Amino acid sequence: AQKITQTQPGMFVQEKEAVTLDCTYDTSDPSYGLFWYKQPSSGEMIFLIYQGSYDQQNATEGRYSLNFQKARKSANLVISASQLGDSAMYFCAMRGSGAGSYQLTFGKGTKLSVIP
Amino acid sequence: KAGVTQTPRYLIKTRGQQVTLSCSPISGHRSVSWYQQTPGQGLQFLFEYFSETQRNKGNFPGRFSGRQFSNSRSEMNVSTLELGDSALYLCASSRGTSGGEKLFFGSGTQLSVL
Repeated sequence: AQKITQTQPGMFVQEKEAVTLDCTYDTSDPSYGLFWYKQPSSGEMIFLIYQGSYDQQNATEGRYSLNFQKARKSANLVISASQLGDSAMYFCAMRGSGAGSYQLTFGKGTKLSVIP
Repeated sequence: KAGVTQTPRYLIKTRGQQVTLSCSPISGHRSVSWYQQTPGQGLQFLFEYFSETQRNKGNFPGRFSGRQFSNSRSEMNVSTLELGDSALYLCASSRGTSGGEKLFFGSGTQLSVL
């Protein structure tokens, strides 16, 4: 079974500052993928960044980077230079690699509020 | 390229009724999966279809069912609605050939059961 834990129900950050959203995971799969999604109030889940368990380097996508520490089973999202439009719910998710592993397991999410 | 389209956007039903939700995936995507999102349980996987076959199923009662058509469009059906079925239902599509693929989500259908 896979489990994702996001321990920060809510976070505040000043505009233009960087912020780190925490995510820890548990899985018995030897190979897996970790995802971060953003969900604004409109409801749509927007893909932000992906990290494969065998990727040697941390993933980056524009202002988003993933701080992947495999031994600690953590996959924290770092948002640099926060913008007002970054205010939303953020979900960490994972997916295994075996047969039938096309589903995502999500954490409970972190609500990020960017303060002007 | 058009995104994932879910219809309707909002639905209001009463207990005991049934409901059908629709999802049109991104062109070329053969995998469609469904998720239920509630404030209490968060995001939970319902099922996933690939090339008209259910490939994976979450832990939901048999009242929840789905299907996929030859054009990859998918429908989800909930029979004998209960108050607890009130939720945002999200559909996601992908090529369905690799575990590392991004899932692209629609805006969801907000179902309210009265």
